[in-house]
Amino acid sequence: GAGVSQTPSNKVTEKGKYVELRCDPISGHTALYWYRQSLGQGPEFLIYFQGTGAADDSGLPNDRFFAVRPEGSVSTLKIQRTERGDSAVYLCASSPGTWSDTIYFGEGSWLTVV
Amino acid sequence: QQQVKQSPQSLIVQKGGIPIINCAYENTAFDYFPWYQQFPGKGPALLIAIRPDVSEKKEGRFTISFNKSAKQFSLHIMDSQPGDSATYFCAAGRGSTLGRLYFGRGTQLTVWP
Repeated sequence: GAGVSQTPSNKVTEKGKYVELRCDPISGHTALYWYRQSLGQGPEFLIYFQGTGAADDSGLPNDRFFAVRPEGSVSTLKIQRTERGDSAVYLCASSPGTWSDTIYFGEGSWLTVV
Repeated sequence: QQQVKQSPQSLIVQKGGIPIINCAYENTAFDYFPWYQQFPGKGPALLIAIRPDVSEKKEGRFTISFNKSAKQFSLHIMDSQPGDSATYFCAAGRGSTLGRLYFGRGTQLTVWP
C-alpha cells in the first residue's frame, strides 16, 4: 500500500492477556517509530528502529512491552500481561531515514483492555 | 514531566478568523519544532516545521512564529476554514533523529462556517 498500515485497527482484550500489534511501513523506509496516544493526549514516544535494530527504546514504559523488526520492514509491538492502563491508540510511523524530518503515521491500533 | 506545554486545550473561531496556538519548551537542546494536524480516526500528519535559526516560517495559510529567547513557538492559521477543524499538536525534537519527538497535549480547533 501507499501508506503505513497497522493491524488490527481495533483490539479488545482481557486484562492479563498477551497482545501483538503489527506495523507495515512505507516500502523503502528504514526508520520505524512506535508511539502511544492516550485519549485527549499527544503521542508519546515508545521506541524506534533504524533497520532491524532498536536504536532507542527509552520510551517503553516497562518490561511488559517489547518490539521487534526482524527483517527491517514489518514491526510487531508485543504487550504481555496487559493492564487496563495500557488502553490507548498505538501509532506506528516510518520515514526514509532518521535524518528525515517527515515521518508518516499510520491510523493506529486502538487497544482496549477490559 | 511534559517537555512541551501547549495551550489552549480547545479553540473555537469563526470562518476567516486567525486561530493562534502556543507552545513552550524548557530543553534548550531541542532544535526542531514541527506542528502536526490530526483528524478523528487518523494518524497525525506533518503540517509545517521550523528550525531555531529563523523566527518565522510560512507555508500557505499556516505560519510558525519562533522566539528562541523565550523558548516559545506558535502556529497561526490565516483565513481559517471549516476544513481546518482538527486537533493540532506541537512537538520538539533534537539532533539527527527527527522522528523521535516530544509532543504537546494538543489543541482541538473548531472553525464555524
